[in-house]
Amino acid sequence: DAGVIQSPRHEVTEMGQEVTLRCKPISGHNSLFWYRQTMMRGLELLIYFNNNVPIDDSGMPEDRFSAKMPNASFSTLKIQPSEPRDSAVYFCASSVSGSTDTQYFGPGTRLTVL
Amino acid sequence: KNQVEQSPQSLIILEGKNCTLQCNYTVSPFSNLRWYKQDTGRGPVSLTIMTFSENTKSNGRYTATLDADTKQSSLHITASQLSDSASYICVVKGFQKLVFGTGTRLLVSP
Repeated sequence: DAGVIQSPRHEVTEMGQEVTLRCKPISGHNSLFWYRQTMMRGLELLIYFNNNVPIDDSGMPEDRFSAKMPNASFSTLKIQPSEPRDSAVYFCASSVSGSTDTQYFGPGTRLTVL
Repeated sequence: KNQVEQSPQSLIILEGKNCTLQCNYTVSPFSNLRWYKQDTGRGPVSLTIMTFSENTKSNGRYTATLDADTKQSSLHITASQLSDSASYICVVKGFQKLVFGTGTRLLVSP
């Protein structure tokens, strides 16, 4: 089992550019989560999908952020336009939904916006 | 307000010693509580998950306790190893919501 796969692992971009982060969940998992982690705020849930449908996007900071899950094996998180304050590590996690639904995290994408 | 507070923020212990990390929460209603270990540069890994009816759960040298009445949890690490150096994050699930603590950064020194 390859685990949750994220790409790219590192991204450096200039303010105003569009950034797309990608995630492949563990096969058979039906819930997918996008998180952002910074030193100041810790781990924050941005959005999660259940069976490819967005369930809760209340953590998405603003309209510059959007997430899609076109099928069970792929999701994207897009930031447009990017700003320096978006610099963080973005994690994707997947789980089998249920009462305990342990989440398995990917290695993260470290985003730096200059 | 739903909150999860962890203490201490950081901790240094000698290899072989035991330590206990604390987590206090105000999340309601309560569904479950999880402890995650996050190594530097990696994603969090689940250590334990406890529901309302469970008051202790072990995973090797890690033992988590839960007191649902006082809304407190602890993570006890026995005979620490250098590989235990990491951040430990407490996460409480309420009604379809996860609330994260900011973590305790543990350094095990040789």
